Amino acid sequence: DVKVTQSSRYLVKRTGEKVFLECVQDMDHENMFWYRQDPGLGLRLIYFSYDVKMKEKGDIPEGYSVSREKKERFSLILESASTNQTSMYLCASSSSRAQSTDTQYFGPGTRLTVL
Amino acid sequence: AQSVSQHNHHVILSEAASLELGCNYSYGGTVNLFWYVQYPGQHLQLLLKYFSGDPLVKGIKGFEAEFIKSKFSFNLRKPSVQWSDTAEYFCAVKATGRRALTFGSGTRLQVQP
Repeated sequence: DVKVTQSSRYLVKRTGEKVFLECVQDMDHENMFWYRQDPGLGLRLIYFSYDVKMKEKGDIPEGYSVSREKKERFSLILESASTNQTSMYLCASSSSRAQSTDTQYFGPGTRLTVL
Repeated sequence: AQSVSQHNHHVILSEAASLELGCNYSYGGTVNLFWYVQYPGQHLQLLLKYFSGDPLVKGIKGFEAEFIKSKFSFNLRKPSVQWSDTAEYFCAVKATGRRALTFGSGTRLQVQP
Protein backbone atom coordinates (compact mmCIF):
# COMPACT_ATOMS: atom_id res chain seq x y z
CA ASP A 1 0.00 0.00 0.00
CA VAL A 2 1.14 3.52 -0.76
CA LYS A 3 1.85 5.49 2.34
CA VAL A 4 2.00 9.26 2.48
CA THR A 5 2.86 10.70 5.85
CA GLN A 6 2.81 14.27 7.07
CA SER A 7 4.95 15.48 9.95
CA SER A 8 2.16 16.91 12.09
CA ARG A 9 -1.61 16.42 12.37
CA TYR A 10 -2.12 19.70 14.21
CA LEU A 11 0.04 22.78 14.31
CA VAL A 12 -0.46 26.18 15.96
CA LYS A 13 1.79 29.05 14.93
CA ARG A 14 1.90 32.80 15.40
CA THR A 15 1.60 35.43 12.70
CA GLY A 16 4.98 36.10 11.11
CA GLU A 17 6.53 32.76 12.02
CA LYS A 18 8.22 30.63 9.40
CA VAL A 19 6.40 27.31 9.11
CA PHE A 20 7.59 24.04 7.61
CA LEU A 21 5.20 21.26 6.66
CA GLU A 22 6.84 17.99 5.73
CA CYS A 23 5.53 15.18 3.57
CA VAL A 24 7.11 11.80 2.89
CA GLN A 25 5.95 9.07 0.51
CA ASP A 26 7.29 5.54 0.34
CA MET A 27 6.34 4.47 -3.18
CA ASP A 28 9.08 6.10 -5.23
CA HIS A 29 6.53 8.41 -6.87
CA GLU A 30 7.79 11.10 -9.19
CA ASN A 31 4.99 13.58 -8.53
CA MET A 32 4.17 15.22 -5.23
CA PHE A 33 1.55 17.86 -4.48
CA TRP A 34 0.52 20.29 -1.80
CA TYR A 35 -3.14 21.33 -1.50
CA ARG A 36 -5.06 23.34 0.99
CA GLN A 37 -8.60 22.32 1.90
CA ASP A 38 -11.10 24.91 3.05
CA PRO A 39 -14.85 24.44 3.67
CA GLY A 40 -16.87 25.17 0.56
CA LEU A 41 -13.78 25.59 -1.59
CA GLY A 42 -12.65 22.00 -1.92
CA LEU A 43 -8.96 21.32 -2.52
CA ARG A 44 -6.85 23.97 -4.15
CA LEU A 45 -3.40 23.23 -5.51
CA ILE A 46 -0.57 25.28 -4.02
CA TYR A 47 2.52 23.72 -5.63
CA PHE A 48 3.58 20.46 -7.12
CA SER A 49 6.85 18.79 -8.00
CA TYR A 50 7.47 16.28 -10.77
CA ASP A 51 11.08 15.49 -9.93
CA VAL A 52 13.77 16.27 -7.40
CA LYS A 53 14.46 20.03 -7.31
CA MET A 54 11.69 20.62 -9.87
CA LYS A 55 8.54 22.50 -8.94
CA GLU A 56 5.60 24.22 -10.53
CA LYS A 57 3.15 26.73 -9.14
CA GLY A 58 -0.39 25.66 -8.67
CA ASP A 59 -3.48 27.82 -8.44
CA ILE A 60 -2.69 29.61 -5.16
CA PRO A 61 1.11 29.78 -4.65
CA GLU A 62 1.23 33.25 -3.09
CA GLY A 63 2.73 33.20 0.40
CA TYR A 64 4.14 29.70 -0.01
CA SER A 65 7.30 28.07 -1.27
CA VAL A 66 8.35 24.42 -1.57
CA SER A 67 11.45 22.31 -1.46
CA ARG A 68 12.18 18.87 -2.87
CA GLU A 69 15.74 17.81 -2.20
CA LYS A 70 14.98 14.07 -2.12
CA LYS A 71 12.51 12.12 -4.18
CA GLU A 72 10.50 10.90 -1.20
CA ARG A 73 10.20 14.22 0.62
CA PHE A 74 8.31 17.39 -0.30
CA SER A 75 8.22 20.36 2.04
CA LEU A 76 5.82 23.27 2.09
CA ILE A 77 7.14 26.50 3.58
CA LEU A 78 5.17 29.47 4.80
CA GLU A 79 7.81 32.19 4.89
CA SER A 80 5.79 34.46 7.17
CA ALA A 81 2.58 32.87 8.35
CA SER A 82 -0.60 34.91 8.25
CA THR A 83 -4.04 34.26 9.70
CA ASN A 84 -5.52 33.67 6.25
CA GLN A 85 -3.25 30.65 5.92
CA THR A 86 -5.15 28.87 8.67
CA SER A 87 -6.32 25.76 6.85
CA MET A 88 -6.00 22.02 6.37
CA TYR A 89 -2.96 21.17 4.26
CA LEU A 90 -2.93 17.94 2.29
CA CYS A 91 0.03 16.31 0.62
CA ALA A 92 -0.36 13.81 -2.21
CA SER A 93 1.83 11.78 -4.51
CA SER A 94 1.39 9.97 -7.80
CA SER A 95 3.39 8.01 -10.31
CA SER A 96 4.20 9.15 -13.83
CA ARG A 97 5.41 5.75 -14.94
CA ALA A 98 2.12 4.56 -16.39
CA GLN A 99 -0.78 6.75 -17.42
CA SER A 100 -3.26 4.27 -16.08
CA THR A 101 -1.91 4.61 -12.56
CA ASP A 102 -2.33 8.37 -12.37
CA THR A 103 -4.13 8.15 -9.07
CA GLN A 104 -3.06 10.56 -6.36
CA TYR A 105 -2.57 9.17 -2.87
CA PHE A 106 -3.14 11.51 0.02
CA GLY A 107 -1.65 11.97 3.44
CA PRO A 108 -3.74 12.51 6.59
CA GLY A 109 -3.44 16.28 6.47
CA THR A 110 -2.03 18.94 8.77
CA ARG A 111 -4.48 21.31 10.37
CA LEU A 112 -2.60 24.58 10.72
CA THR A 113 -3.89 27.41 12.88
CA VAL A 114 -2.17 30.76 12.66
CA LEU A 115 -2.91 33.07 15.59
CA ALA B 1 -8.25 26.66 -17.42
CA GLN B 2 -10.25 23.66 -16.38
CA SER B 3 -12.82 23.87 -13.60
CA VAL B 4 -15.11 21.45 -11.79
CA SER B 5 -18.58 22.17 -10.44
CA GLN B 6 -20.34 20.14 -7.80
CA HIS B 7 -23.86 21.45 -7.57
CA ASN B 8 -24.90 19.82 -4.32
CA HIS B 9 -23.04 21.20 -1.33
CA HIS B 10 -24.88 19.34 1.39
CA VAL B 11 -27.12 16.33 0.89
CA ILE B 12 -29.13 14.62 3.62
CA LEU B 13 -30.60 11.20 2.93
CA SER B 14 -32.18 8.41 4.90
CA GLU B 15 -30.65 4.95 4.83
CA ALA B 16 -31.65 2.90 1.76
CA ALA B 17 -32.35 6.01 -0.30
CA SER B 18 -30.71 6.32 -3.69
CA LEU B 19 -27.89 8.79 -4.22
CA GLU B 20 -26.82 10.86 -7.18
CA LEU B 21 -24.18 13.58 -6.81
CA GLY B 22 -23.61 15.87 -9.74
CA CYS B 23 -20.23 16.78 -11.22
CA ASN B 24 -19.63 18.90 -14.31
CA TYR B 25 -16.32 20.02 -15.67
CA SER B 26 -15.20 22.56 -18.21
CA TYR B 27 -12.42 21.41 -20.49
CA GLY B 28 -12.60 20.70 -24.18
CA GLY B 29 -9.94 18.02 -24.45
CA THR B 30 -9.44 14.51 -23.17
CA VAL B 31 -9.77 14.13 -19.42
CA ASN B 32 -9.36 11.61 -16.68
CA LEU B 33 -12.08 11.78 -14.04
CA PHE B 34 -12.06 10.84 -10.38
CA TRP B 35 -14.27 10.70 -7.34
CA TYR B 36 -12.56 10.86 -3.98
CA VAL B 37 -14.17 10.37 -0.58
CA GLN B 38 -13.16 11.67 2.83
CA TYR B 39 -14.77 9.88 5.76
CA PRO B 40 -14.80 11.80 9.05
CA GLY B 41 -11.29 11.94 10.46
CA GLN B 42 -9.78 9.90 7.64
CA HIS B 43 -7.54 10.41 4.61
CA LEU B 44 -8.93 11.39 1.27
CA GLN B 45 -9.19 8.16 -0.70
CA LEU B 46 -10.04 7.17 -4.23
CA LEU B 47 -13.60 5.96 -4.79
CA LEU B 48 -13.43 5.39 -8.54
CA LYS B 49 -11.84 6.73 -11.70
CA TYR B 50 -12.46 6.92 -15.42
CA PHE B 51 -9.63 6.87 -17.95
CA SER B 52 -11.12 5.37 -21.11
CA GLY B 53 -13.46 2.68 -22.36
CA ASP B 54 -16.80 1.90 -20.75
CA PRO B 55 -18.26 5.21 -19.52
CA LEU B 56 -19.96 3.45 -16.62
CA VAL B 57 -17.36 2.97 -13.94
CA LYS B 58 -17.77 0.90 -10.81
CA GLY B 59 -15.88 1.72 -7.66
CA ILE B 60 -15.61 0.55 -4.10
CA LYS B 61 -18.52 0.13 -1.67
CA GLY B 62 -21.16 -0.14 -4.40
CA PHE B 63 -20.56 3.29 -5.93
CA GLU B 64 -20.62 3.90 -9.67
CA ALA B 65 -20.27 6.90 -11.94
CA GLU B 66 -21.20 7.58 -15.52
CA PHE B 67 -19.13 9.72 -17.85
CA ILE B 68 -21.33 11.56 -20.34
CA LYS B 69 -18.95 13.33 -22.68
CA SER B 70 -21.61 15.41 -24.41
CA LYS B 71 -22.72 16.83 -21.07
CA PHE B 72 -19.22 17.17 -19.57
CA SER B 73 -20.57 15.27 -16.59
CA PHE B 74 -19.39 12.52 -14.28
CA ASN B 75 -22.17 11.94 -11.77
CA LEU B 76 -21.73 9.61 -8.82
CA ARG B 77 -24.50 7.15 -7.94
CA LYS B 78 -25.34 4.54 -5.37
CA PRO B 79 -28.69 2.71 -5.38
CA SER B 80 -28.99 2.38 -1.60
CA VAL B 81 -26.92 4.41 0.85
CA GLN B 82 -25.84 3.33 4.30
CA TRP B 83 -25.11 5.34 7.41
CA SER B 84 -21.41 4.53 6.86
CA ASP B 85 -21.50 6.49 3.59
CA THR B 86 -21.63 9.72 5.57
CA ALA B 87 -18.61 11.60 4.23
CA GLU B 88 -17.50 14.39 1.96
CA TYR B 89 -17.24 13.55 -1.73
CA PHE B 90 -14.98 15.32 -4.20
CA CYS B 91 -15.03 15.16 -7.96
CA ALA B 92 -11.71 15.82 -9.74
CA VAL B 93 -10.51 16.20 -13.30
CA LYS B 94 -7.11 15.78 -14.87
CA ALA B 95 -6.48 16.92 -18.41
CA THR B 96 -4.35 14.56 -20.46
CA GLY B 97 -0.76 15.73 -20.37
CA ARG B 98 -1.14 17.58 -17.08
CA ARG B 99 0.03 16.22 -13.78
CA ALA B 100 -2.27 18.05 -11.40
CA LEU B 101 -5.91 17.44 -10.56
CA THR B 102 -8.56 20.12 -10.36
CA PHE B 103 -11.06 19.43 -7.60
CA GLY B 104 -14.64 20.50 -7.14
CA SER B 105 -15.78 22.18 -3.95
CA GLY B 106 -17.07 18.93 -2.47
CA THR B 107 -20.46 17.57 -1.39
CA ARG B 108 -21.10 16.72 2.21
CA LEU B 109 -23.36 13.68 2.45
CA GLN B 110 -25.17 12.95 5.66
CA VAL B 111 -27.03 9.66 5.90
CA GLN B 112 -29.54 9.40 8.70
CA PRO B 113 -30.24 5.97 10.22
